[in-house]
Amino acid sequence: DTAVSQTPKYLVTQMGNDKSIKCEQNLGHDTMYWYKQDSKKFLKIMFSYNNKELIINETVPNRFSPKSPDKAHLNLHINSLELGDSAVYFCASTHNRGLGDTEAFFGQGTRLTVV
Amino acid sequence: DQQVKQNSPSLSVQEGRISILNCDYTNSMFDYFLWYKKYPAEGPTFLISISSIKDKNEDGRFTVFLNKSAKHLSLHIVPSQPGDSAVYFCAASATGTASKLTFGTGTRLQVTL
Repeated sequence: DTAVSQTPKYLVTQMGNDKSIKCEQNLGHDTMYWYKQDSKKFLKIMFSYNNKELIINETVPNRFSPKSPDKAHLNLHINSLELGDSAVYFCASTHNRGLGDTEAFFGQGTRLTVV
Repeated sequence: DQQVKQNSPSLSVQEGRISILNCDYTNSMFDYFLWYKKYPAEGPTFLISISSIKDKNEDGRFTVFLNKSAKHLSLHIVPSQPGDSAVYFCAASATGTASKLTFGTGTRLQVTL
């Protein structure tokens, strides 16, 4: 039973399109994240939601909009896709007690290719 | 500005020997450190962590050492097994940052027979 699941696993789309990646966790965690791994393999945080509230928003273009309908889901919507958006996007969750001393559980990743 | 660095992009070790993966950090606010293991086409999997109040944490074949004064941590795997072949990421977080992880660029470990 997958703890953090993302769909789709692979996404190929044309420049200018709008696409969404979905993420669900069944761990009962209250904090969820989106990380991006670029072509140089840097894994960097994009957003974090705690109980449906945005708590981390790194310097990410406005074309990226996370949405959390409930604390078990955090979706990522991307408008007007650009070639540079091609990357692997990872969803993660933690049982955040606000202390920082807890590990994150990651989904399997969504490889986005913009052509 | 890379706050967590893994200067060895790759490491090859014989089966049965010790693997030592290194990580350096620059941000003195980091107080929790983690190691993740990643196989191709999968997400990172948590391996072991250490709080800044400790200098060693052990879990089976895996031991993490933390040297706060040097801002350095290392992961020891002994004995190394072929199934340990993967990319290992060092990560760090600071109290009050909602467990936001800052990752190193990873070290690819190859355990040979």
